[in-house]
Amino acid sequence: SAVISQKPSRDICQRGTSLTIQCQVDSQVTMMFWYRQQPGQSLTLIATANQGSEATYESGFVIDKFPISRPNLTFSTLTVSNMSPEDSSIYLCSVEGQGDTLGTEAFFGQGTRLTVV
Amino acid sequence: DAKTTQPTSMDCAEGRAANLPCNHSTISGNEYVYWYRQIHSQGPQYIIHGLKNNETNEMASLIITEDRKSSTLILPHATLRDTAVYYCIVRVAYRRHTGNQFYFGTGTSLTVIP
Repeated sequence: SAVISQKPSRDICQRGTSLTIQCQVDSQVTMMFWYRQQPGQSLTLIATANQGSEATYESGFVIDKFPISRPNLTFSTLTVSNMSPEDSSIYLCSVEGQGDTLGTEAFFGQGTRLTVV
Repeated sequence: DAKTTQPTSMDCAEGRAANLPCNHSTISGNEYVYWYRQIHSQGPQYIIHGLKNNETNEMASLIITEDRKSSTLILPHATLRDTAVYYCIVRVAYRRHTGNQFYFGTGTSLTVIP
């Protein structure tokens, strides 16, 4: 299994500002994934972050709004830029399983609950 | 994109079996059926997955129809802690060095009633 720590766990931010969310994994992983979960909704994949290359964004998400860093195999950040109230969501980090869980499970952090006022 | 259809919500009495259906009529031959659940205020948790044979683990059983167009997740003895949103996802088999993303649909909100 993989243990994922996200920081901050929650934040209240002013519109127009930016927030950087950190995701730390207790083991080396090739790919990390960032999801958004709007209030009462399902999870939507924002992007896939592969160490050493540019993140790959899903349709509807752009790098200028959600820049991602992946400096090493255990860490990634997602920045929510120029925030508006519509960005109020839970943001979750996820990684592929390794070893016995490779190709089967994905592991998720507890999420960062963002409220934009 | 999500390729599954699930009921929006279901109730189940505590101690009884919870049977959660999922339709995936456009599933391809190389796509697996995965089930995850999300308990309130937590990240999703893997439950089980399968290709075409029925599967069972310590958490649940997965029954896949012969034509693979639908499946049922069975929680044999539901407890209050099983109250969660259950997501059925289809995804191709793992491929090294490529994206292995999970795309979540709307899921089924299961409420276990005392």
